Amino acid sequence: DARVTQTPRHKVTEMGQEVTMRCQPILGHNTVFWYRQTMMQGLELLAYFRNRAPLDDSGMPKDRFSAEMPDATLATLKIQPSEPRDSAVYFCASGPGDSDAIYFGEGSWLTVV
Amino acid sequence: QKEVEQNSGPLSVPEGAIASLNCTYSDRGSQSFFWYRQYSGKSPELIMFIYSNGDKEDGRFTAQLNKASQYVSLLIRDSQPSDSATYLCAAPPNFGNEKLTFGTGTRLTIIP
Repeated sequence: DARVTQTPRHKVTEMGQEVTMRCQPILGHNTVFWYRQTMMQGLELLAYFRNRAPLDDSGMPKDRFSAEMPDATLATLKIQPSEPRDSAVYFCASGPGDSDAIYFGEGSWLTVV
Repeated sequence: QKEVEQNSGPLSVPEGAIASLNCTYSDRGSQSFFWYRQYSGKSPELIMFIYSNGDKEDGRFTAQLNKASQYVSLLIRDSQPSDSATYLCAAPPNFGNEKLTFGTGTRLTIIP
């Protein structure tokens, strides 16, 4: 059963610490997305990759966030330094093509205290 | 800039009734739409997609696309308490480096 895998599922960290979230997209999918969701904001796109190339990271705070795809099986989202306002659930999703549906991982629940 | 609008609700429907969820979009070039369901504390899950004008049925779910009026709907017949969730519609890109655009979601509650 193909699925997007995200780690960690839950993370509690102190303000100022570095947080790295990882995502394994579905094999063969060439688009990868990072979303952030809070109760107030809904789904917020942070970064979008096609064939590992970053296409859009306009929704990402550049001073502290970075997203990469070191290879086709791994996407990372890093926050350094983390702040309490970064507390949210971070979803990774992948899709087989630009016009196709995307499939979400279970999310990484981040709490920054 | 493509926009997808949804009534955020909450929408309350008695059990057994038909729940109707609507989505309007700004881009006349949009050819297809996806409906996702998100239970509280879970990730969005694809439940329906529609590529052409008219209706598409899958069990108790019917998606309706009206390109002339630029709206897409999701009907849930015989609503069950397990249908209580947030429903998001999404429009895929038409060209270039666009990406999937999500609506803000409609929160549906089925009342037993």
